[in-house]
Amino acid sequence: DTGVSQDPRHKITKRGQNVTFRCDPISEHNRLYWYRQTLGQGPEFLTYFQNEAQLEKSRLLSDRFSAERPKGSFSTLEIQRTEQGDSAMYLCASSLGQGGTYEQYFGPGTRLTVT
Amino acid sequence: AQSVSQHNHHVILSEAASLELGCNYSYGGTVNLFWYVQYPGQHLQLLLKYFSGDPLVKGIKGFEAEFIKSKFSFNLRKPSVQWSDTAEYFCAVNRISGTYKYIFGTGTRLKVLA
Repeated sequence: DTGVSQDPRHKITKRGQNVTFRCDPISEHNRLYWYRQTLGQGPEFLTYFQNEAQLEKSRLLSDRFSAERPKGSFSTLEIQRTEQGDSAMYLCASSLGQGGTYEQYFGPGTRLTVT
Repeated sequence: AQSVSQHNHHVILSEAASLELGCNYSYGGTVNLFWYVQYPGQHLQLLLKYFSGDPLVKGIKGFEAEFIKSKFSFNLRKPSVQWSDTAEYFCAVNRISGTYKYIFGTGTRLKVLA
């Protein structure tokens, strides 16, 4: 399967712990996006990368959140000192950059539950 | 405020009924428009997209959508739904002010009764 993959699929953690999620995009895609989805809502943009450069961050991304894409391939999203309000589905998507048609392909998501 | 609105949050239809789901956006300028579907337990999948040209676009599984610029709308339609269309449907917009991040609507949960 050559789609977007995310790991882990589910994460249960206690409040105050740190968690890290990984996303592997479609191999030829140079843009990578992170979104967060809570129950009854559409996905909300968190941040995106073009290659290894983080080009935009939402104000939803507090200083407890950090994302990296060190070699322009996979990306990690870390949440420090988790809070119950961080419980959500974290989605990763990738797309082609210039010359592409800009549609994004989504992974299965990582469901985070903070107890 | 700039937003994407999906007015129908829950829709219940019988098989063979026609479907129309509304999507309105409040951004000016050039935008790209998308409909995604999320079947139970699965990830978001692209149904169809509009970038330019013919405002009536056809997607997978018999879905189509019409872009009406004057109404800032991009409604999704299907003439005859099937039980397997039971899913959540999301409208999304990008290319707002040159950025390619998506702004999503809140979604419409469709249930098709067999």
